[in-house]
Amino acid sequence: GAGVSQSPRYKVAKRGQDVALRCDPISGHVSLFWYQQALGQGPEFLTYFQNEAQLDKSGLPSDRFFAERPEGSVSTLKIQRTQQEDSAVYLCASSLEAKAFFGQGTRLTVV
Amino acid sequence: QQQVKQSPQSLIVQKGGISIINCAYENTAFDYFPWYQQFPGKGPALLIAIRPDVSEKKEGRFTISFNKSAKQFSLHIMDSQPGDSATYFCAASTGGSYIPTFGRGTSLIVHP
Repeated sequence: GAGVSQSPRYKVAKRGQDVALRCDPISGHVSLFWYQQALGQGPEFLTYFQNEAQLDKSGLPSDRFFAERPEGSVSTLKIQRTQQEDSAVYLCASSLEAKAFFGQGTRLTVV
Repeated sequence: QQQVKQSPQSLIVQKGGISIINCAYENTAFDYFPWYQQFPGKGPALLIAIRPDVSEKKEGRFTISFNKSAKQFSLHIMDSQPGDSATYFCAASTGGSYIPTFGRGTSLIVHP
């Protein structure tokens, strides 16, 4: 595809449920980032991959958050035992060098 | 501590006017400064970017001014149009990983 694709676009989860969010980066992009964006705020960094290696996960808010990119392409962000404070838009971006391109995001609502 | 500070939080201008959004940073290791535009329900879209070796970059109606000594940079939107109404984010990153660190955003409304 031409851009970064994220699925699902919307997800409603009951508190305590596990969720998995998918990101298909632009083909050939080495770097992949996950961000969390709360309503009315700027994106906050969660984690960074270079190919399949997770080089920075300093932004993950708790051990309930886990990300992987096993073959250096598609990435999955998993949130276990979701809490209400996890409600946000989760953005994925990919880049080849300095320019990062974002997907449309997955809006997660925990009820 | 917020690494990239952005102001104003909101901005209202008339059609044809100039919109100016300012950002300041602390980390002198930052060497790439992009601006993103975000419409409701969409992801941030890269608008324009600058490196610290130049003081200004212009693309169409959008200009970045960069002041390395003051650690400040700004976005100027000339001849602002209603279609420019969106949230704008400044960001900064360092070489190698180029992980963008974002400001808190500016909500721009351009009245017809």
